[in-house]
Amino acid sequence: AQTVTQSQPEMSVQEAETVTLSCTYDTSESDYYLFWYKQPPSRQMILVIRQEAYKQQNATENRFSVNFQKAAKSFSLKISDSQLGDAAMYFCAYRNYNQAGTALIFGKGTTLSVSS
Amino acid sequence: DVKVTQSSRYLVKRTGEKVFLECVQDMDHENMFWYRQDPGLGLRLIYFSYDVKMKEKGDIPEGYSVSREKKERFSLILESASTNQTSMYLCASRLRENTEAFFGQGTRLTVV
Repeated sequence: AQTVTQSQPEMSVQEAETVTLSCTYDTSESDYYLFWYKQPPSRQMILVIRQEAYKQQNATENRFSVNFQKAAKSFSLKISDSQLGDAAMYFCAYRNYNQAGTALIFGKGTTLSVSS
Repeated sequence: DVKVTQSSRYLVKRTGEKVFLECVQDMDHENMFWYRQDPGLGLRLIYFSYDVKMKEKGDIPEGYSVSREKKERFSLILESASTNQTSMYLCASRLRENTEAFFGQGTRLTVV
């Protein structure tokens, strides 16, 4: 069975600085997706970024980028130029590729606080 | 925009009550999911449904059942609520495999 591990329960960063959230996963599959979701105090889960395992290039979405190391089974999220609105809980998630009935598997989350 | 709506944001129920949590999506999605979110445990899958009247157990199905009679609605049922089912419940849906999942805003259930 696949597992997702987030080893940092809490992280903090100052506005305009850069922070990296860690995630490791375990799978025997070769094709899969990895995700970072953001959950602000409103509780609405928002997809931040997605990475397909077959793509070597790291995904980027504006200030958010990932460092995907397939051999090491590592998938970290870098937030550049942090803003107060980035304060939230961040979840790393995994999903098998193209298999019927597969659900997202989540890590335990990292709470990010941003100070001015 | 895709909308996933959970019927209540906050719910307080008594031990032993039968509880229904409702989730409705408006984009003809095939797959729907129920997760439970607890501090320090992340999101854990309770049940999912990949089509009408189809359901599969997730990682923690004990004490729960589900119903999907219509494509747009996926209900989570607590047959006899217990205090250890006090939690945040999140519903999600997606069109099919390999498409993005969309989440509802969660129902915080307290069982007293």
